[in-house]
Amino acid sequence: QVQLQESGPGLVKPSQTLSLTCTVSGGSISTGSNYWSWIRQPAGKGLEWVGRIHTSGNTNYNPSLKSRVTISIDTSKTQFSLKLSSVTAADTAVYYCAREYSTTFDDWGQGTLVTVSS
Amino acid sequence: DIQMTQSPSSLSTSVGDRVTITCQASEDINYYLNWYQQKPGKAPKLLIQDASKLETGVPSRFSGSGSGTDFTFTISSLQPEDIATYYCQHYYNLPRTFGQGTKLEIK
Repeated sequence: QVQLQESGPGLVKPSQTLSLTCTVSGGSISTGSNYWSWIRQPAGKGLEWVGRIHTSGNTNYNPSLKSRVTISIDTSKTQFSLKLSSVTAADTAVYYCAREYSTTFDDWGQGTLVTVSS
Repeated sequence: DIQMTQSPSSLSTSVGDRVTITCQASEDINYYLNWYQQKPGKAPKLLIQDASKLETGVPSRFSGSGSGTDFTFTISSLQPEDIATYYCQHYYNLPRTFGQGTKLEIK
């Protein structure tokens, strides 16, 4: 089990880029079986998988967001990051980072609310 | 994308009740399904993986079954601490998708 903590601005203006970082502690970010994921949840709604990155740098994105999403990893800092460009109000949500071990989201951050508003 | 449809979307229940939630996949996902519990203001917590395997430390009143396209999640005797929203999630392929959630409320 690892601990994850999201950080980043809570307010982003429309058309700008949302940037979040997840810091991993209590374990290695480089373990080969892990994928490091971003999942979001608009207020009062369900969970949407945004994408993930492997320690090798291999990424997978939700096709619905693929043109706007970039996930990167910095193993030296035990961090991985999310960038979502051209945001609109529809991107307002709680953003979670999570560890996907093989097939399950085992560990989650506490979540961070990002509001898109001018 | 594989669509996951949960029902009901909400359920008014009483302590001690047997609670059943269903999850239907839009195509055959074998047993590649997980169940999560989410309490207000908290991250989801994994309860069941591979459709029926209870995570370590999860009370035995929780169970899951099913394969293919139809799955069931059951709480045999609802406890006050079980009030939460429950989500199914497939891992058959990418993108991972979740059901819309089932919110349990106390009558």
